[in-house]
Amino acid sequence: QKEVEQNSGPLSVPEGAIASLNCTYSDRVSQSFFWYRQYSGKSPELIMSIYSNGDKEDGRFTAQLNKASQYVSLLIRDSQPSDSATYLCAVGDWNQFYFGTGTSLTVIP
Amino acid sequence: KAGVTQTPRYLIKTRGQQVTLSCSPISGHRSVSWYQQTPGQGLQFLFEYFSETQRNKGNFPGRFSGRQFSNSRSEMNVSTLELGDSALYLCASSLDRRERELFFGEGSRLTVL
Repeated sequence: QKEVEQNSGPLSVPEGAIASLNCTYSDRVSQSFFWYRQYSGKSPELIMSIYSNGDKEDGRFTAQLNKASQYVSLLIRDSQPSDSATYLCAVGDWNQFYFGTGTSLTVIP
Repeated sequence: KAGVTQTPRYLIKTRGQQVTLSCSPISGHRSVSWYQQTPGQGLQFLFEYFSETQRNKGNFPGRFSGRQFSNSRSEMNVSTLELGDSALYLCASSLDRRERELFFGEGSRLTVL
């Protein structure tokens, strides 16, 4: 059984701080990695995708991938109250995706 | 560009009944996947369809089935409903099986009484 693990939180950060979300996965053949944001009562929304080792930046978001250590992280700079949501890590192989159970983030004004 | 559309958004059924959920993917997207989301289990993969064929299936009983039509629209059916089937059912579409970014619909929230 392939596993994707995330710290369920809740993670609380003050407004303007950096939020760091982490995810580990069990399958070394995983090829694609994604972060989704899910507001309460809403569906998941794609934030970032990353396919190769290193950092990928998009605005205030940076995804980091380390395949050797089998972890992927998401950094949110200058956190805003609107970033308060559950963040889902998804890992894909050639066949399907596996989702973590999510980390709840609260940004305190 | 319209997003993924799921109907109905909310429904209440009783044990033993069956339910059919519908999903219209983003225009041009040919792959449709279905997920079940519950507070305890998170997102669980049900199945994926591409070109009207089921390409992959998750670890769910045979009561869960689906199909895809030639216009890429998809339906999923759950027969003989059980209380534990109460969940948010999410449909996600992607361009094809190589383009792996999933775009989710708003979901169908099923309550089984």
